[in-house]
Amino acid sequence: DIQMTQSPASLSASLGETVTIECRASEDIYSNLAWYQQKPGNSPQLLIYDANSLADGVPSRFSGSGSGTQYSLKINSLQSEDVASYFCQQYNNYPDTFGAGTKLELK
Amino acid sequence: QVQLKESGPGLVQPSETLSLTCTVSGFSLTSYSVSWVRQPSGKGPEWMGRMWYDGDTAYNSALKSRLSISRDTSKNQVFLKMNSLQTDDTGTYYCTRDDYGGYHDYWGQGVMVTVSS
Repeated sequence: DIQMTQSPASLSASLGETVTIECRASEDIYSNLAWYQQKPGNSPQLLIYDANSLADGVPSRFSGSGSGTQYSLKINSLQSEDVASYFCQQYNNYPDTFGAGTKLELK
Repeated sequence: QVQLKESGPGLVQPSETLSLTCTVSGFSLTSYSVSWVRQPSGKGPEWMGRMWYDGDTAYNSALKSRLSISRDTSKNQVFLKMNSLQTDDTGTYYCTRDDYGGYHDYWGQGVMVTVSS
């Protein structure tokens, strides 16, 4: 199975700051990568697919980039409603696998 | 609009069988695939298996010997059955709609399952 390693595991940032979360795959996943946001007590919601395509209704302050084995999620101008856990997922190989998550809190 | 809703028991005895139902609306099970994904508290999600739009199934090899996924298209329902449950099967179980590419574009609210005597 492809291992997805996310960093950092937790992150504290201020309102208005730019935040970057990294995800590294154990082998090339050819941009078959999605990012999800999970607010406390809620189910995950799709943010980004195909490494850099924004899902419907997702604010433009979210963006994704990367290729090969290295990917990142960037949040510009952090808002209070962005406090959540973020997960990456590869869907290049069976089984699709998720990262352990990054918990984002406000400083 | 697209909706998925999981239902099933919240408590299961060790060694027993878990049965869950996912009822969908807003899309057809013959046009989109549906996955089951579970998440232990405080951890990342784990993909369990998929009911493809054409009726085929795919399973995570780590669970394949214990897992069965089926559907009833007339009722817009997808079913999960997993046997020989243990305490590390405790977590929240979600059904998701899958885009053709393999990512999960809609998630149900989830059902919390506790395996305990």
